[in-house]
Amino acid sequence: GENVEQHPSTLSVQEGDSAVIKCTYSDSASNYFPWYKQELGKGPQLIIDIRSNVGEKKDQRIAVTLNKTAKHFSLHITETQPEDSAVYFCATGPSGGSYIPTFGRGTSLIVHP
Amino acid sequence: NAGVMQNPRHLVRRRGQEARLRCSPMKGHSHVYWYRQLPEEGLKFMVYLQKENIIDESGMPKERFSAEFPKEGPSILRIQQVVRGDSAAYFCASSPETGQLDTQYFGPGTRLTVL
Repeated sequence: GENVEQHPSTLSVQEGDSAVIKCTYSDSASNYFPWYKQELGKGPQLIIDIRSNVGEKKDQRIAVTLNKTAKHFSLHITETQPEDSAVYFCATGPSGGSYIPTFGRGTSLIVHP
Repeated sequence: NAGVMQNPRHLVRRRGQEARLRCSPMKGHSHVYWYRQLPEEGLKFMVYLQKENIIDESGMPKERFSAEFPKEGPSILRIQQVVRGDSAAYFCASSPETGQLDTQYFGPGTRLTVL
């Protein structure tokens, strides 16, 4: 089955800095790559996703890049703000009717004011 | 448009009791997924259901756990004879019936504590 590695497990930055979280995966059939933000006591919230037919997608301060050859994808957050502090999860798996994603273990992002 | 709803948000049970967790998917969604999350860990898939059908239950423990998604009403995750190791956050997610079938939206979760 799919194996997803997420790094780093903890990331501490100053407000205004950029943050990058990286995930690697093993199944070359994976073609859908969402990122979730989970705040304390809440459910994961989909913040951005990318499909294998594109290499990069951007939404305001958040971007995701995908390298299918190397089997890794990354989340980039620019101009970080304290409200970006949360746990971020990547996920992936083969897309389609019975999509069962495999999640990374999460990255705890702390943005210091 | 209401999001995925789960109840209760917190559930406390004593060992040996039953726990029932409910999930109402987003409007227009007919696919429901249940996940378990232990502290400081990622989400582990348990079961995938469509209305009146279990599609994939490969992540569900073979004993004490069951799930259903009836034609009417919410999806139910049922844990019989709970043990302390069942203490976790349980999340459900839903995805649409057409279009981007793999885009999942999560509910707020049910935090189960077994005493």
